[in-house]
Order: sequence, then C-alpha cells, then structure tokens
Amino acid sequence: GDSVTQMEGPVTLSEEAFLTINCTYTATGYPSLFWYVQYPGEGLQLLLKATKADDKGSNKGFEATYRKETTSFHLEKGSVQVSDSAVYFCALTSSNFGNEKLTFGTGTRLTIIP
Amino acid sequence: GAGVSQSPRYKVAKRGQDVALRCDPISGHVSLFWYQQALGQGPEFLTYFQNEAQLDKSGLPSDRFFAERPEGSVSTLKIQRTQQEDSAVYLCASSLRGSSTDTQYFGPGTRLTVL
Repeated sequence: GDSVTQMEGPVTLSEEAFLTINCTYTATGYPSLFWYVQYPGEGLQLLLKATKADDKGSNKGFEATYRKETTSFHLEKGSVQVSDSAVYFCALTSSNFGNEKLTFGTGTRLTIIP
Repeated sequence: GAGVSQSPRYKVAKRGQDVALRCDPISGHVSLFWYQQALGQGPEFLTYFQNEAQLDKSGLPSDRFFAERPEGSVSTLKIQRTQQEDSAVYLCASSLRGSSTDTQYFGPGTRLTVL
C-alpha cells in the first residue's frame, strides 16, 4: 500500500539557518504530494502541494519539488524564523479514483531558536 | 469564510461509554474525511464520504466505530463501548470535489481521553 517516510525529528535550528526535511514515498500510479503544518495549539493546515512530477510547490518561503525518479518531496527553506517552529507532515493522495484519502508520514517537529 | 468545525473539542469518557463526535465541514464541500491521530504520530485515515455516501470505511479499527453523514453535510463519528486504546485526537477534513489533487481542510480536532 501507499506509505510516506519522513525525516526523524526533532530538528532544532538557529534562526536564519537553511532547512531541509526529507520525505520519500511509495505509491502506485501518480500520487499528489502535500506538506501540512501544525503550529502549536492550532489545527493542521496545508503548507504547499504538487500534483504532478517536476511540479514545485511553494508558500511562505518554503519549497518542495515532486521528484518521481527518486520518489521524494523534500521540504526546504532558505532562512528559517522562530515563527516556523511547528510539526511538519508530508502526505500523499493516491491517483486512484475513489481513494482520495491522505496518507501521512509521522511528522517532524521543528524548533527554531533565536 | 467559516472553516471546518468540530465538537466537542475535548471529551473524557469512562471505558465502556459511547461517544459521538460531530463535524461541520466547509459549506458546499462534497467530500468529508475522518482521521485518527495518536500522540506523536501522523493522522491515520478512518473513513470517507462523498456527499451522503460512505465510499471507504476501510480505516475504521473495529465494528465499534460508526460514521454517518445523512444529509451530505454534517457528519458524526460514533464510538461504542470505548476502550483506552481509542484515546486519540479525531480529525475531520473536507474538500471541495473529492479529487486526489484537492486540498483537504482540517478542523481543530476532538481530543478523546478514555479512562
């Protein structure tokens, strides 16, 4: 079945550091890929997504590129801020009709220190 | 506009009690999903509705779990004879069309604690 493997956390970085959170997936067909973020005390919200190979999703300075050849969707940000401290989840939906559920990774807790 | 809302936000139940968790999706959204999130884990799929039709219930962990969406809007997840292992955050999400490329919008969740 479908699965998502995320970089183990927690991750602690200094402000303005470069961030990479690795994500690889296993899926049949052509899944859509997502990064969701959960800020402290808040619900899950979409950070960015890519729906076909070589697409790049971007939002709030974060980027991720859908790499079919390496089955990866790594999250990157050039200069992190304290406000980026949150739990980040990589997820996918299958391309199979009638099976639009999200399959999530285990999450990566990111802490940014000033 | 209003997002996905869930009630109650917190529920404490004694083992063996029945509970009902409510989800109000974004108005006009066709698809509705329920997920279970254990502490420190990613959400796991429970069940999926398109309008009032339950198209996938493969993630429901046992026959004690039941979900419905009778009029294609509000949904209720019911857990009968709760067990300690049912303690988790229950998340509801909705999407506009139910396509695999659609964004799912999540509610704040209901934290269930079974004593």
